[in-house]
Amino acid sequence: QKEVEQDPGPLSVPEGAIVSLNCTYSNSAFQYFMWYRQYSRKGPELLMYTYSSGNKEDGRFTAQVDKSSKYISLFIRDSQPSDSATYLCAMTIVKAAGNKLTFGGGTRVLVKP
Amino acid sequence: NAGVTQTPKFRVLKTGQSMTLLCAQDMNHEYMYWYRQDPGMGLRLIHYSVGEGTTAKGEVPDGYNVSRLKKQNFLLGLESAAPSQTSVYFCAIGAPNRGGQETQYFGPGTRLLVL
Repeated sequence: QKEVEQDPGPLSVPEGAIVSLNCTYSNSAFQYFMWYRQYSRKGPELLMYTYSSGNKEDGRFTAQVDKSSKYISLFIRDSQPSDSATYLCAMTIVKAAGNKLTFGGGTRVLVKP
Repeated sequence: NAGVTQTPKFRVLKTGQSMTLLCAQDMNHEYMYWYRQDPGMGLRLIHYSVGEGTTAKGEVPDGYNVSRLKKQNFLLGLESAAPSQTSVYFCAIGAPNRGGQETQYFGPGTRLLVL
């Protein structure tokens, strides 16, 4: 069983809808959670990071962490065709040097005009 | 891509050939990482470095070697390429975020096909 599970999709939504993405994890020591967006044939681009349980908002994006359930989510409001990409969750145990990220497999999102 | 460049962008190798992938940063960050990305597997850490002259193994180090002779450059070597090393390779740098913790920023990737 993988340490971080993520539904591969594809998740298809109409433009303007809310996109809901999530990851579950098994290692309760993970403290630091990130979401990356990856366009086709490009490198992952950091969207958001968070440490604590609860919500963090940045523009149209909201990241949610529930450590008791070992579950993280990313919501994209008012989705646009330009949001079509693969979204990767990542997490790590915070160390003094060299944080090794553990990634989910990614969810492919298609936003249709 | 956060000042991270990777060379080459694409390469085809025959089994048994060797090659070196170069990652370069135009900043002064200590931490650098090499990942590989395969369908359905996400990104997996190969090797990493926490400073010039230091390297350490990640999750999938077998078949790869690395060197960090200069702070700006992190090299990934394949001594004898195998078809199982067909993948997309990403370099990342670790930079402090507003909270002072490290966040990783990725380069554009190198696509490698081993025949």
